Formats: sequence, C-alpha cells, structure tokens
Amino acid sequence: GDSVTQMEGPVTLSEEAFLTINCTYTATGYPSLFWYVQYPGEGLQLLLKATKADDKGSNKGFEATYRKETTSFHLEKGSVQVSDSAVYFCALNSNYQLIWGAGTKLIIKP
Amino acid sequence: DAGVIQSPRHEVTEMGQEVTLRCKPISGHDYLFWYRQTMMRGLELLIYFNNNVPIDDSGMPEDRFSAKMPNASFSTLKIQPSEPRDSAVYFCASSGIGQHYEQYFGPGTRLTVT
Repeated sequence: GDSVTQMEGPVTLSEEAFLTINCTYTATGYPSLFWYVQYPGEGLQLLLKATKADDKGSNKGFEATYRKETTSFHLEKGSVQVSDSAVYFCALNSNYQLIWGAGTKLIIKP
Repeated sequence: DAGVIQSPRHEVTEMGQEVTLRCKPISGHDYLFWYRQTMMRGLELLIYFNNNVPIDDSGMPEDRFSAKMPNASFSTLKIQPSEPRDSAVYFCASSGIGQHYEQYFGPGTRLTVT
C-alpha cells in the first residue's frame, strides 16, 4: 500500500541555519503531497502542498518540490527561526484519506 | 469561521469509565476524521465520515471504541470502558468538498486514563 517515510528526528539546528527534512513516498498513481506542521499543544495545520510532478509548494519561507523520479518531497528553509520549532509531517492523499509519515521534530536553538 | 472545535480539551478519568469526546467540524465541510496521537504509535486514523456516514472504521482499535455523526455539525467518539492504554491526544479534523485532502485539525483532546 501507499506509504510515507520521513527522516527521524529530532533535528536540532541553530537559528539562521539551513533546513532540510527528507520525505520519500511509495504510491500507486500520482498523489498530491503535503507538509503539515504541529506546534506544541496544537493540532496539525497545512504548511504547503504540491499536486503534480515538478510542482513547488511554498509558505512561510518553507518550500518543497514534488520529484516523481526520486519519489521525494523534501522540506527546505533557507534560514530557520526559533519559532519554527515544531513537528513536521509529510503526507500523501490516497482514497480520500491522508497517509502520514511518522513526523520529524525540529528544535531550533537561539 | 471558528475552525474545528473539540471538547473537552483535557479529560482525566479512571479505568472502566465511559469517555465521550466531541467535535464540531467547520461549517460546510463534508468529511470528518478522528485521529489518535501517541508517542509510541504516532498519528493514527481511527475513522472517517463523509456526509455523516462512516466510510472507513478499520482504524478503530476495538469494540470499546465507537463514533457517531448524527448531523453535519457534530460528531462524538466514545470509549466504553476506558483503559490506561487509551491515554492519548485525540484529534478531530474536517475537510471540504473538492478539497478533501486539505484537512483542518481541531486543538485536540488530551485523554488520561488512570
């Protein structure tokens, strides 16, 4: 079945560092891909999405490109802030559901 | 819109008691999802509804769990009897027509069963 694999965390970076969180997927067909973010004590919220190959989703300085050839959707940000500390989930849609990765905790130190 | 509303935000109960979690989805959304989140198992989909009808409940862990959606603006998740291993954060999420994969999550209910 469809699945999503994310890099394990926690990922710890200093403020203003470059961020990459890896995400790869297995799916039949061509799903849409998503990154959701969960701040402490809150529910998940959609960060960005891409609906077809080579699409780039972007929001709040984060971006991710849908790479069909490598079945990847890595999340990047050029300069992270302390406020970016959260858990990040990669997901794909399958039969009206979302298939979730395990989540990657990001810790940004000032 | 107020977003997805869940109540209570925190629930502490003793083993064996009945627990009812409540959710009000975003008005106009036709899909509703119940999730459970724990450190050990991560985020798990328990059940989801479309137009108030349960579509897939294969994630419901056992018969102690039940969910209902009597109308478009209200859903409940009930655990009877509760057990300590049910301790988790339970999220409700909803999504709208044509954008069923963009799920909007509530703040969650943190359940502790002692």
